[in-house]
Amino acid sequence: IAGITQAPTSQILAAGRRMTLRCTQDMRHNAMYWYRQDLGLGLRLIHYSNTAGTTGKGEVPDGYSVSRANTDDFPLTLASAVPSQTSVYFCASSVRLNTEAFFGQGTRLTVV
Amino acid sequence: DAKTTQPPSMDCAEGRAANLPCNHSTISGNEYVYWYRQIHSQGPQYIIHGLKNNETNEMASLIITEDRKSSTLILPHATLRDTAVYYCIVRVDYSSASKIIFGSGTRLSIRP
Repeated sequence: IAGITQAPTSQILAAGRRMTLRCTQDMRHNAMYWYRQDLGLGLRLIHYSNTAGTTGKGEVPDGYSVSRANTDDFPLTLASAVPSQTSVYFCASSVRLNTEAFFGQGTRLTVV
Repeated sequence: DAKTTQPPSMDCAEGRAANLPCNHSTISGNEYVYWYRQIHSQGPQYIIHGLKNNETNEMASLIITEDRKSSTLILPHATLRDTAVYYCIVRVDYSSASKIIFGSGTRLSIRP
């Protein structure tokens, strides 16, 4: 049972480059979420999706975009990375909005 | 939006019960209280949630006061593996969408 999988595990990215963080779940969960976690700031919600075909903005959406073409995948794209986007990114899913969420193991992104 | 207040840190002796408090004085009638924890560098893990009644599962117990303005997470027999940051969350409803918003949490240290 895979649950929720994120890729890559870590990445060093040059500023200005485009990057897509992948998130896939095999639990047929309707809701999915992207968070970033920075030292001293805790987890902050970037974007979320209620169900396939819909997305919404979280607390810190600027500089990020998401899509939800199907139930399983919820990629997060940085169109032009900046150093302030250096962070650990967590993807999560839940059966429906606001039920217990299952988190991936995270992607550590460093923008230089 | 209902927000939560937790002590920044606590410690507990191994084998003893760990009691983690959370204040949510502005919680509304249909908002649930959720608890997650995050062990160093891992994704957050769901622990338990409740609305009005006390809840218990294999991991912990959740005690919610009658006025629902505060709650306590109880780890009945703390082990070293319970060392983590514990997050108390209440559901946020915004524009018909619900999002899981994390606060700063309580860093629980279990001492041998």
